[in-house]
Amino acid sequence: KQEVTQIPAALSVPEGENLVLNCSFTDSAIYNLQWFRQDPGKGLTSLLLIQSSQREQTSGRLNASLDKSSGRSTLYIAASQPGDSATYLCAAGSGNTGKLIFGQGTTLQVKP
Amino acid sequence: DAGITQSPRHKVTETGTPVTLRCHQTENHRYMYWYRQDPGHGLRLIHYSYGVKDTDKGEVSDGYSVSRSKTEDFLLTLESATSSQTSVYFCAISLGGQGTEAFFGQGTRLTVV
Repeated sequence: KQEVTQIPAALSVPEGENLVLNCSFTDSAIYNLQWFRQDPGKGLTSLLLIQSSQREQTSGRLNASLDKSSGRSTLYIAASQPGDSATYLCAAGSGNTGKLIFGQGTTLQVKP
Repeated sequence: DAGITQSPRHKVTETGTPVTLRCHQTENHRYMYWYRQDPGHGLRLIHYSYGVKDTDKGEVSDGYSVSRSKTEDFLLTLESATSSQTSVYFCAISLGGQGTEAFFGQGTRLTVV
């Protein structure tokens, strides 16, 4: 059974810092890995999708990597801003049905 | 935002009453999903659909049923609501397959008293 873990559960950094959020999964036979952002009381916003055949994806200040052999994905945020404060969730895709197994998220606070 | 509308957005209901949540999409995506989000558990899949009248169970399906009579609508029904079903419910859609993203609705906050 696939299990997804995100550590740390919470992170507080000063504005401008580069930071890395971690996601690990137990079954390397994932279909894809998706990162989401969730603001308090809101839905999930898709940030990046990495297919199993890819090693990384980039969007603006965000870069996500995938290492299936080690069961890890990282989300790199460059030059963090207070507006980046949110909960970040990773989810492993299992098969072509699009079902997702979620980690419990990392809550990020970027202080001005 | 992807064209996903959940209704209602908030609901308070009494234990033992039936409740139906609706998800409506305008994207013509094949797959639709219902997840629940709870502190300490994260998001967990309840049921999903891979086409009209085609549905399957997820990880936490007990106490829930679903129906999909049209491509654009996916209904989640709690036959007899219990306090353990107090949660935030999210609908999601995707085209399916390896390279497609999942898109989520804004959620329905359900409180069972």
